[in-house]
Amino acid sequence: DIQMTQSPSSLSASVGDRVTITCRASQSISSYLTWYQQKPGKAPKLLIYFASTLQSGVPSRFSGSGSGTDFTLTISSLQPEDFATYYCQQSYSTPQTFGQGTKVEIK
Amino acid sequence: QVQLQESGPGLVKPSETLSLTCTVSGGSVSSGSYYWSWIRQPPGKGLEWIGYIYYSGTTNYNPSFKSRVTISVDTSKNQFSLNLSSVTAADTAVYYCARDRSGTYGCDYWGQGTLVTVSS
Repeated sequence: DIQMTQSPSSLSASVGDRVTITCRASQSISSYLTWYQQKPGKAPKLLIYFASTLQSGVPSRFSGSGSGTDFTLTISSLQPEDFATYYCQQSYSTPQTFGQGTKVEIK
Repeated sequence: QVQLQESGPGLVKPSETLSLTCTVSGGSVSSGSYYWSWIRQPPGKGLEWIGYIYYSGTTNYNPSFKSRVTISVDTSKNQFSLNLSSVTAADTAVYYCARDRSGTYGCDYWGQGTLVTVSS
């Protein structure tokens, strides 16, 4: 199985901050990397797919980059509604695997 | 607007079989562009991919579930289902059904999730 490792596991930030979350794969996954946002008690929401393609309806302050083994999710200006847990997922090979999550909390 | 809704028992006894159904509305499980997935999340923990099915019946399962898992599809009812046998307390989780785009571009629609507790 491909292991996905996110960092940090949690972070505290203020509204307006630029936030960066990293996801590293244990082997190359090309660009088959998806980012999700999950709020408490809710299903995950797809933000970015194929490493850098913004899902329709997702604000442009979210962006993704990377290929191979190293990927980044960036929130350019954190908004109150962005406080949540973020997960990366690889779909290069099955079983699909997720990172352990990054919780973004209010400073 | 595509919607998915999980249904099934919220409480299952150890060693028994967990059975859930996902009903799809606003779209068709027979669409050739999608795989229909099951993903679970133990309380307070991360997401775990269980497997998916294509409308033709082709399946792909997470080997960590060994031979315990079966996913099936009923195109006439626009539903797909999950069976997980020989459950233990470790199978207690919120179970989500989701639509996966080609198995490569992520799950764009999810059910709300259903908590299944394994307990006697």
